[in-house]
Amino acid sequence: QKEVEQDPGPLSVPEGAIVSLNCTYSNSAFQYFMWYRQYSRKGPELLMYTYSSGNKEDGRFTAQVDKSSKYISLFIRDSQPSDSATYLCAMSQKGNDMRFGAGTRLTVKP
Amino acid sequence: NAGVTQTPKFRILKIGQSMTLQCTQDMNHNYMYWYRQDPGMGLKLIYYSVGAGITDKGEVPNGYNVSRSTTEDFPLRLELAAPSQTSVYFCASLSLGFTKQYFGPGTRLTVT
Repeated sequence: QKEVEQDPGPLSVPEGAIVSLNCTYSNSAFQYFMWYRQYSRKGPELLMYTYSSGNKEDGRFTAQVDKSSKYISLFIRDSQPSDSATYLCAMSQKGNDMRFGAGTRLTVKP
Repeated sequence: NAGVTQTPKFRILKIGQSMTLQCTQDMNHNYMYWYRQDPGMGLKLIYYSVGAGITDKGEVPNGYNVSRSTTEDFPLRLELAAPSQTSVYFCASLSLGFTKQYFGPGTRLTVT
């Protein structure tokens, strides 16, 4: 079993839809949870950073962490074509030892 | 601030050749990382550093070496390039507190 599992998609949604991206993990020691956005042929950029369980909201983005189920989610509201990218989840025990998922490719169609 | 810069952007190597991938950050971050990303895969950690003079192996260190003589620079050395090292390489830096993370634009390496 991989430490971090992420559905690679691809995922295609119409503009304005709510997008749900998910990851599961096996290591109960993970305490830090991150989401990155990566545009084609670019480096990843950190979108959301959360510690422990709970929700965090930033504009149209909401990150949820359920440590009891070892499951994290990223929700994108009112999705835009500019949200089309690959989204990577990552987890960490100490905050600086990230383990990444394979990434989910998202396309938002106008 | 320029953030994290990487050179070169692209490189083609023959089997057995060596090269150094350069990475520089101007944010005074202590933590720096080298990852490789293969198609359809996530990022795999090659080496990391928690400060000048301190480096450690990640998940996939074989065939690579690093050094960290200054806070700003973290070069990655490939010795005796092999086709399995064909990948996109990303350098990243991380602030104390871990909430600020920046990746470079990547180096696309092909070994033939």
